[in-house]
Amino acid sequence: DVKVTQSSRYLVKRTGEKVFLECVQDMDHENMFWYRQDPGLGLRLIYFSYDVKMKEKGDIPEGYSVSREKKERFSLILESASTNQTSMYLCASSQGQGRKLFFGSGTQLSVL
Amino acid sequence: GDSVTQMEGPVTLSEEAFLTINCTYTATGYPSLFWYVQYPGEGLQLLLKATKADDKGSNKGFEATYRKETTSFHLEKGSVQVSDSAVYFCALSELGNQFYFGTGTSLTVIP
Repeated sequence: DVKVTQSSRYLVKRTGEKVFLECVQDMDHENMFWYRQDPGLGLRLIYFSYDVKMKEKGDIPEGYSVSREKKERFSLILESASTNQTSMYLCASSQGQGRKLFFGSGTQLSVL
Repeated sequence: GDSVTQMEGPVTLSEEAFLTINCTYTATGYPSLFWYVQYPGEGLQLLLKATKADDKGSNKGFEATYRKETTSFHLEKGSVQVSDSAVYFCALSELGNQFYFGTGTSLTVIP
């Protein structure tokens, strides 16, 4: 089975800190995604990548950046964390177009 | 643009009750439609999918039929179990690799 691993299950950071969320997939998938999940808002796409060193903005990219130096790893970076970035962050990967997404277990980030 | 609307929750049912979670979509072309499920403390996992009109996706006793005329993909199960308690997300994928998700419907099944 495909495994998508997110480095932390829970993370607590201070306002203004630089935060790195790491995601690794083990099935050589082309596409990787970062979503945030908030009650009543569902999943919202932050960034996605369809190849190494390629990235595309999703619906809510402000305040975030991403890095994909290797095919299996997709990092989400909060340059200067703010309290409104407290959320559950979900990483996903897929192969090809319109194929199913495989999700990690999520990182619950709290910014104080 | 593309979007998905699903019924508000939370939904609470007794074991063996019939379940329907409504989902409608807006898309410019011919999307693939999905239901994902999120069990407590876990990420989302694919429950079922349908790729064209009139297709029926099914898995674990759940079913959903792709209705182009009503732009709907309602999730149904004839007899729910306590283990079905989870959050259910309707989603579509049309152009390229992007997915659009509904807001999720929380289901609690009581014995």
